[in-house]
Order: sequence, then structure tokens, then C-alpha cells
Amino acid sequence: DAMVIQNPRYQVTQFGKPVTLSCSQTLNHNVMYWYQQKSSQAPKLLFHYYDKDFNNEADTPDNFQSRRPNTSFCFLDIRSPGLGDAAMYLCATSRDFLSVQFFGPGTRLTVL
Amino acid sequence: EDQVTQSPEALRLQEGESSSLNCSYTVSGLRGLFWYRQDPGKGPEFLFTLYSAGEEKEKERLKATLTKKESFLHITAPKPEDSATYLCAVQAGKGAQKLVFGQGTRLTINP
Repeated sequence: DAMVIQNPRYQVTQFGKPVTLSCSQTLNHNVMYWYQQKSSQAPKLLFHYYDKDFNNEADTPDNFQSRRPNTSFCFLDIRSPGLGDAAMYLCATSRDFLSVQFFGPGTRLTVL
Repeated sequence: EDQVTQSPEALRLQEGESSSLNCSYTVSGLRGLFWYRQDPGKGPEFLFTLYSAGEEKEKERLKATLTKKESFLHITAPKPEDSATYLCAVQAGKGAQKLVFGQGTRLTINP
């Protein structure tokens, strides 16, 4: 089945220790998104790629970066995680900007 | 600024007790309104897209409707497995590059 896959499902890191979260898709969609969702809050868009074109939301901290080496994969790098970065990180894909976004299962990040 | 407000924040029903969830929006140029279901610890699962006022979509016990200012998610004779958080999101504006989500309604169906 075509899907959005995120690895790992759970990630524990230490304060200030860089961490990378992975997302892959078999849908061959052009757009890939990264959202941050804190407990009982709405998902908040961090950035997205349309193909290789990167768009950063204005309020996304510099601590967060992303890479998309090919159509299938997209990575979220957190350079120096703080306690406030503990959250669920969701990857989503869509064929284009006006199409439905399909979400992966998420990665739960814990910062100690 | 585009805004989405969902009510109630939480709703507890008995199995078989029908009800409706509300999503009110204030946007410039609605391109689409989306409903998602999210189970604890999982990513949102797509349910419906609505594009214009008067449109309705149905899936099993769920029915989504849209007016110019709000959308309703009607749940008929719910079962315990319908317990989840239901998220509403809008896509608006020229570029329509992002979804703006509401806070969600946490629905609990008691057997």
C-alpha cells in the first residue's frame, strides 16, 4: 500500500544533542511537509518542500532545518534540541498544494 | 489572519447517541476544508474534503457539511471505536500552501 513512513516512531535525545527524524513516501507526491504537534494542540507547520523548492514558515526557529535529497525522502534536523522541542513531529505529503495532505504516524520526540 | 475554531473542545456521548461537532472559520478565499481523525499517539487520518457551501460528504456514521462560515461533522449512532480527536483544517488564499488547523474536538463514546 502507498504510504507515508516515519522513523523512528519514538526518539529520546539529550538537551543540546542533535537529532534527525526521517520521512519517506511511496505516493510519489511533489510536496512534503513537516509539522510539530504538542500535547492537545493543533499541528503547526514548520516548513515544506515542493519538489526541491524549500519554504520555511516565518516563525520556525533556526534550530530546525530540513533536507530533501530525493522525491521519496525528507529529513528534519534539530540542531540543538531544547526541552520545549519535545513534541510529536508529523510528516505529510500531497500531490500539489491544493490536494489532500496524507500524514505519517509521527515521531514522538522526548528531550531529557 | 486565517482562523479556525472548533467546538466543543471535548464531547462525551453514550453509544448510539448522535451529535455534531462544529468548525467555524474566518479565511480569505477558502480553497478547501478538511476533516481528519487523530487517534492518540498517531498521525491524522484523512476523512473528508469540502470545497463549496452546500456540499456534503458521508462515510459510514459520519457526515460533513459546509456553509460559508462553518462546517459540521455529524456523527450518527456512534460506536466506541469512533472515539478520537477530530481535527478541522482550512486551505485558503492565493497560494493555498498550508493547512490551518483548529484545536480539535476530543470525542469519547462510552459503551
